[in-house]
Amino acid sequence: GQQLNQSPQSMFIQEGEDVSMNCTSSSIFNTWLWYKQDPGEGPVLLIALYKAGELTSNGRLTAQFGITRKDSFLNISASIPSDVGIYFCAGQGGGAQKLVFGQGTRLTINP
Amino acid sequence: GAVVSQHPSWVICKSGTSVKIECRSLDFQATTMFWYRQFPKKSLMLMATSNEGSKATYEQGVEKDKFLINHASLTLSTLTVTSAHPEDSSFYICSARDGGRGSPLHFGNGTRLTVT
Repeated sequence: GQQLNQSPQSMFIQEGEDVSMNCTSSSIFNTWLWYKQDPGEGPVLLIALYKAGELTSNGRLTAQFGITRKDSFLNISASIPSDVGIYFCAGQGGGAQKLVFGQGTRLTINP
Repeated sequence: GAVVSQHPSWVICKSGTSVKIECRSLDFQATTMFWYRQFPKKSLMLMATSNEGSKATYEQGVEKDKFLINHASLTLSTLTVTSAHPEDSSFYICSARDGGRGSPLHFGNGTRLTVT
């Protein structure tokens, strides 16, 4: 079945640093989504991407839908303590209702 | 908008009992809802797709007789874990779309199930 490879699995950074994470797929997706999950809660949608090459921002977050439709990245600029959490990418193929999730990137920020 | 509410947020039950988890779309109608399971420090694993007015579609390896899904209305899906065992202890999360197939999924806050 479809699989997403998300990297890095974890990141330990200083407050104020920029963060970059990415996902790659063995197959093409029509939609890429990025979610953040805090402990004990459900994932919250950060950014949705619908077109190859699309670059979308949400505050300090920027995500891009790769031209090949097999990858996406998420950048966080000037990290702050509340950015701590687990970030998941998710992709959806044509005609499929269900999402495929990456393994997650656990972000830890040292003040 | 696009709020998905899940209840309860946590539950502790004894082995052999059944537990029902509710998932509601508060400000939109959802003909399809999705149930996920998440183990500690792991990603979300799709268990089943809940279809309003018809049978749920289960992913490979998920026991449909153990995880009963009912989607009786456009705003409510329920997951019942029957004859619970300690290995059923997990974080269960539901989700739904507020639009067509291409629209993003919105998630509930999850239910932490502990079976003693």
